[in-house]
Amino acid sequence: KQEVTQIPAALSVPEGENLVLNCSFTDSAIYNLQWFRQDPGKGLTSLLLIQSSQREQTSGRLNASLDKSSGRSTLYIAASQPGDSATYLCAVDTSGTYKYIFGTGTRLKVLA
Amino acid sequence: GAGVSQSPRYKVAKRGQDVALRCDPISGHVSLFWYQQALGQGPEFLTYFQNEAQLDKSGLPSDRFFAERPEGSVSTLKIQRTQQEDSAVYLCASSLDETTVEQFFGPGTRLTVL
Repeated sequence: KQEVTQIPAALSVPEGENLVLNCSFTDSAIYNLQWFRQDPGKGLTSLLLIQSSQREQTSGRLNASLDKSSGRSTLYIAASQPGDSATYLCAVDTSGTYKYIFGTGTRLKVLA
Repeated sequence: GAGVSQSPRYKVAKRGQDVALRCDPISGHVSLFWYQQALGQGPEFLTYFQNEAQLDKSGLPSDRFFAERPEGSVSTLKIQRTQQEDSAVYLCASSLDETTVEQFFGPGTRLTVL
């Protein structure tokens, strides 16, 4: 059974720092991996999608990498801002139907 | 608005009551997903529709949970005889079709069972 783990569970950093969020999964047979952002009381917003054949994706200050063989993905956030404060969720699709298995998330707080 | 909407946003139920949660997907979206998110946890898949067909209900935790999408647009998640462990945020997501990766999530319904 696929299990997704995110480390750390919570993170607090001063504004301007670069930071890395980690995601690991137990079964490397995935179709794709997504990173989502969740703000309190709101739904999820997709940040980056990495297909199984890809190694990384970039969007603005965000960069996500994927190493299927080791079952790991990282989300790199450059020059963090208070507006980046949210919970970041990693999710893998193991069925090809976009039925995602989510990690428990990393709660990020960026201090002004 | 053009996004996924869910109602009610908050629901308090006494244990044993039945509840119905509604999801209005983005117009024209074929695929619809329901997830359950317990406090401090990531969302867990409940069920998946393609139009009106429920293709996967493997995540429904018990036979007290029932979902439908009779006309291939609005979906309702019904929970019968609610129990305290049903307390969670129920998220709905839709996507354009079965080949489209991007899912758009609604704000969720927070269910509290007393």
